[in-house]
Amino acid sequence: EAGVVQSPRYKIIEKKQPVAFWCNPISGHNTLYWYLQNLGQGPELLIRYENEEAVDDSQLPKDRFSAERLKGVDSTLKIQPAELGDSAVYLCASSLGDFGPTDTQYFGPGTRLTVL
Amino acid sequence: AQRVTQPEKLLSVFKGAPVELKCNYSYSGSPELFWYVQYSRQRLQLLLRHISRESIKGFTADLNKGETSFHLKKPFAQEEDSAMYYCALSGGETSGSRLTFGEGTQLTVNP
Repeated sequence: EAGVVQSPRYKIIEKKQPVAFWCNPISGHNTLYWYLQNLGQGPELLIRYENEEAVDDSQLPKDRFSAERLKGVDSTLKIQPAELGDSAVYLCASSLGDFGPTDTQYFGPGTRLTVL
Repeated sequence: AQRVTQPEKLLSVFKGAPVELKCNYSYSGSPELFWYVQYSRQRLQLLLRHISRESIKGFTADLNKGETSFHLKKPFAQEEDSAMYYCALSGGETSGSRLTFGEGTQLTVNP
């Protein structure tokens, strides 16, 4: 079992450029999460999907961030245009979705974004 | 609003000594509490959750609703316990399975 897969692992771009991150959850996991982790901080939820529906996107900065989970499996998170303050680690996680607040979330390795 | 506070950014102990990583939370309801751990060069992973009432790798954590705390304890620390530890909370009809994390405590166990 490969676990949650994310790509790329590292990305360096210049400000105002677009960037996209991809996530493949664990097979059979209905719930998918994108978290943002700034240096020295804990992860913060950006968006949560139940299958293909975004059920919690209240903390996603919608002016520049967008996400999709077509067909309820893989997901893509996009930033356009990127700003210097977007430099962070972007984590994807998945869970079965059967147990609500007690669901165990499994995390990917993250994508480290550097905006110059 | 739900919030998790880990007052110690860094904690250093010697091998064999007891260790306690503090976690306090604020939440208006019955929360689910977790401890996640991230070893060097590895991904974030669940260590334990309060609902399971289990001991993982010798660690235990007790939910104290009166003090709104969920401290992580181990009686005899090992060098391999050196890692970043995050306390997290979820719960409620609106937040569902959204995890709210603390800022983390970097534990170093010295030989």
